[in-house]
Amino acid sequence: NAGVMQNPRHLVRRRGQEARLRCSPMKGHSHVYWYRQLPEEGLKFMVYLQKENIIDESGMPKERFSAEFPKEGPSILRIQQVVRGDSAAYFCASSPSLGTYKNIQYFGAGTRLSVL
Amino acid sequence: DAKTTQPNSMESNEEEPVHLPCNHSTISGTDYIHWYRQLPSQGPEYVIHGLTSNVNNRMASLAIAEDRKSSTLILHRATLRDAAVYYCILNAGGTSYGKLTFGQGTILTVHP
Repeated sequence: NAGVMQNPRHLVRRRGQEARLRCSPMKGHSHVYWYRQLPEEGLKFMVYLQKENIIDESGMPKERFSAEFPKEGPSILRIQQVVRGDSAAYFCASSPSLGTYKNIQYFGAGTRLSVL
Repeated sequence: DAKTTQPNSMESNEEEPVHLPCNHSTISGTDYIHWYRQLPSQGPEYVIHGLTSNVNNRMASLAIAEDRKSSTLILHRATLRDAAVYYCILNAGGTSYGKLTFGQGTILTVHP
């Protein structure tokens, strides 16, 4: 059973470009979370999605950031017009749809974004 | 989410037990206690969770105080691979979903 798959593992962008980060949840999971870890800082929640719905985006920056989780395909975190401050590790997690305890989150290995 | 307090860092020797404490004095009756860890350059990894009773799994044990205001993650025999940042997190559990709020965690160093 494959874990949470994130790609790319490393992404380099120049200021002003767009960054697209992909996340495929574990099989049987329909709940996806995105977290960001800035250099030397802790993990911060960004957004929680279910298929085709954004449930909680309280941690998303108001501008340039968006997320989606379409009916088919991976979840996408999109950052438009990247700036150096966006350089960070972005982690995706998923949790199961069924079971006694649902809110155990399984994390991917992350995408490390570097903005030049 | 209710706040947790952990020591910034702890050290252990390989093959010795490690007790990682966590204080959560404002825990509510429905909050579960989660532990995750993050190895260097990797994503967080679920370790264990509990509500009231002590819990054991293949990775660790979780000892929960009777008043639930503190808990301790126990690694019975530390290995070099256990060197990581350990996070204690309170989360509404059961049938609910939701974000995890990570604090600064405890950096565990394991000496050979």
